[in-house]
Amino acid sequence: ETGVTQTPRHLVMGMTNKKSLKCEQHLGHNAMYWYKQSAKKPLELMFVYNFKEQTENNSVPSRFSPECPNSSHLFLHLHTLQPEDSALYLCASSRDRTSYEQYFGPGTRLTVT
Amino acid sequence: KQEVTQIPAALSVPEGENLVLNCSFTDSAIYNLQWFRQDPGKGLTSLLLIQSSQREQTSGRLNASLDKSSGRSTLYIAASQPGDSATYLCAVRLPDTDKLIFGTGTRLQVFP
Repeated sequence: ETGVTQTPRHLVMGMTNKKSLKCEQHLGHNAMYWYKQSAKKPLELMFVYNFKEQTENNSVPSRFSPECPNSSHLFLHLHTLQPEDSALYLCASSRDRTSYEQYFGPGTRLTVT
Repeated sequence: KQEVTQIPAALSVPEGENLVLNCSFTDSAIYNLQWFRQDPGKGLTSLLLIQSSQREQTSGRLNASLDKSSGRSTLYIAASQPGDSATYLCAVRLPDTDKLIFGTGTRLQVFP
């Protein structure tokens, strides 16, 4: 256990659905991250939050909407997704956004039908 | 633009062998480099982090080296075991940013 939990672990949704992914960290960290891992592609950073403020949006389509209500929780709201959005979505946290190791959650396996 | 490459893409070895996994990056201006392990369908576990001013880090049977000027890092695994079977990812952090740039990984299988 890394101290970062994600729910749900698996999600199947249609293109017209709205769903949310949740991440929680119990490490007292101040920075949280969303990554996307597609088959045969490197992990891609999506969003970064530092002290609840978004500091990075890596040109992510607006059908992905992040929310960080506090330093321990991070959400990814999903709506009108495409089949190519099917991937493993990983959450991570670190003590701050620059020099420290990132700790990853187990991921949510998302399938868009 | 920073690009990270890992060679080989896949490796299958008998138990007990010493292994070297390679990671190369195109821009030597990095803040640090991190090696991760990922088991199938799971998240990443951090193995070693090397700051740009360091040359190597060791943890148990793992040793990671960094040669920033040549844009290379190696992960050395001593006396490999079946439990080491996983995908190994390296990632570099760019200076003054939040971004980790990942390689595509080396899929390792250690058979008894």
